[in-house]
Amino acid sequence: LAKTTQPISMDSYEGQEVNITCSHNNIATNDYITWYQQFPSQGPRFIIQGYKTKVTNEVASLFIPADRKSSTLSLPRVSLSDTAVYYCLVGDEDSSYKLIFGSGTRLLVRP
Amino acid sequence: DGGITQSPKYLFRKEGQNVTLSCEQNLNHDAMYWYRQDPGQGLRLIYYSQIVNDFQKGDIAEGYSVSREKKESFPLTVTSAQKNPTAFYLCASSRGTRGYTFGSGTRLTVV
Repeated sequence: LAKTTQPISMDSYEGQEVNITCSHNNIATNDYITWYQQFPSQGPRFIIQGYKTKVTNEVASLFIPADRKSSTLSLPRVSLSDTAVYYCLVGDEDSSYKLIFGSGTRLLVRP
Repeated sequence: DGGITQSPKYLFRKEGQNVTLSCEQNLNHDAMYWYRQDPGQGLRLIYYSQIVNDFQKGDIAEGYSVSREKKESFPLTVTSAQKNPTAFYLCASSRGTRGYTFGSGTRLTVV
């Protein structure tokens, strides 16, 4: 399974755009890239998933370059409630049972 | 509403006791999982089950046991063989990599 590398922590201010980059140099052809968000004492929740180029939903965008060796989660105009841990995961449908949640990126949004 | 229910939310265990954490889902998902999370850390996979009456060990299965007699239920027993059981336990179910749904967690403390 492809291993991912993310920054341990990031700081931002309300209203700013936040970009969290994840490296996955060993991503396989069939792998999708998925991001989850976790608040303290809660289970992670799905944010966004993509395979290539750009994906956008109501909460975030995911940018994936052509070589797919990295991806960037973009959170537009963050608020205090976006303070959480963000996990980047890589896997295909067959390996979904073994998704590895690393330590994630701790995002702190300041007033 | 469909979802995953974990109980209890808080659990206290005496040294040498076995305790069982409950996890029930009504999402009709085939796969279910148990993760352990220690403070400031990511999630580590304990056990997972892809179908009823079948389950596999994850990365840290020692000291834990599970059963999957029904599709909806995947209880986790923390046995006395688990030397450091104090942690936050999360149950999840999925239909592929995108469909990971987590419960609200059980916080287990050894007293």
